Amino acid sequence: DAGITQSPRYKITETGRQVTLMCHQTWSHSYMFWYRQDLGHGLRLIYYSAAADITDKGEVPDGYVVSRSKTENFPLTLESATRSQTSVYFCASSESAGGNHEQYFGPGTRLTVT
Amino acid sequence: SQKIEQNSEALNIQEGKTATLTCNYTNYSPAYLQWYRQDPGRGPVFLLLIRENEKEKRKERLKVTFDTTLKQSLFHITASQPADSATYLCALDYGGSQGNLIFGKGTKLSVKP
Repeated sequence: DAGITQSPRYKITETGRQVTLMCHQTWSHSYMFWYRQDLGHGLRLIYYSAAADITDKGEVPDGYVVSRSKTENFPLTLESATRSQTSVYFCASSESAGGNHEQYFGPGTRLTVT
Repeated sequence: SQKIEQNSEALNIQEGKTATLTCNYTNYSPAYLQWYRQDPGRGPVFLLLIRENEKEKRKERLKVTFDTTLKQSLFHITASQPADSATYLCALDYGGSQGNLIFGKGTKLSVKP
């Protein structure tokens, strides 16, 4: 199916574990984004990518690693999960840069770190 | 630093009335402003985009205004329906070429029948 998908949808992990959240889009959009959404903070940008092999930090990058070897995939890795990383994570894509292009969001991954 | 505020966490209105949501920003001048709808357990969905040189934009029952002097956008839903109940997010661009947006915390709209 066309669109943007995330997996897993729900994940429970322990403090200190490595966990990878997957994001896949079928539109061949150049830009991809990772956000986290927490009560009281709204959506905050973690990392973004302008194209394959080009990534950059957003507002809250500490503790996260991204890669983009293919245009359609943008995995987010928590190298050593902490309780403060319990959140809902959204992946998004956009066809181009600039605020004049809408972002398409995935369904989200709810991550709980115990 | 950039700051964006949606000054109502929740808004309750009666079906058929017009819902008006507010988005205020400080410390910068965005060229574009976007509004998204988010239902519980789902990702945000794009609704409307307005440019700084546009005063008003309409789409069906939705209307957005953008006042760069007041640094404010208003989002209106006319003839509201219970199906319009959701959280609405405004988002502004940082400017530049990165394509990054800064999002407000959202306003949860409840339309009662």
